[in-house]
Amino acid sequence: GQQLNQSPQSMFIQEGEDVSMNCTSSSIFNTWLWYKQDPGEGPVLLIALYKAGELTSNGRLTAQFGITRKDSFLNISASIPSDVGIYFCAGHFTSGTYKYIFGTGTRLKVLA
Amino acid sequence: KAGVTQTPRYLIKTRGQQVTLSCSPISGHRSVSWYQQTPGQGLQFLFEYFSETQRNKGNFPGRFSGRQFSNSRSEMNVSTLELGDSALYLCASSFSPGVYEQYFGPGTRLTVT
Repeated sequence: GQQLNQSPQSMFIQEGEDVSMNCTSSSIFNTWLWYKQDPGEGPVLLIALYKAGELTSNGRLTAQFGITRKDSFLNISASIPSDVGIYFCAGHFTSGTYKYIFGTGTRLKVLA
Repeated sequence: KAGVTQTPRYLIKTRGQQVTLSCSPISGHRSVSWYQQTPGQGLQFLFEYFSETQRNKGNFPGRFSGRQFSNSRSEMNVSTLELGDSALYLCASSFSPGVYEQYFGPGTRLTVT
């Protein structure tokens, strides 16, 4: 199946550190979404981006829609233990059908 | 406002059986999408329904089908289950196909033995 390239695949960080992850695609998207998924639960929407170059924040989270429309970035500042989980990006296709393509996920572990 | 609900949360079936999963979207949301999530393939799009019509379909065999009712609730069915169908099945709702924010339910964990 189709998936977006997301990096890093996993990361261990100390509490209080900042975190950065990104998502890249060979296709152009008109929307990027970022989700967080806890074990055994569905993904929870964190941030939605609708315009190239857009920078949007949600508390300690900041995400950017890449200028080329083929990538997106998520930053978490001052990480805390409850930030642990898997973060997914999702791009919404512009051509043909309405559907999302999801990234491979970034597994974040925060060391207290 | 209540979120997306899915039933059942867990299911164990035997190869060859069929299964039906249910999804109730957020009140007011009329678009429902289904996804399969596995460790190897990640989140894969199955299909999307809006106004009781399937609008899009992912690359899954015909054993996977779905429907949507007039109250926007949706069901998906998998017939002739295979071991590889073991996965977390997620339902997501949005106001309409043109509104890009999707909200996911907790999922149904299907195990095929």
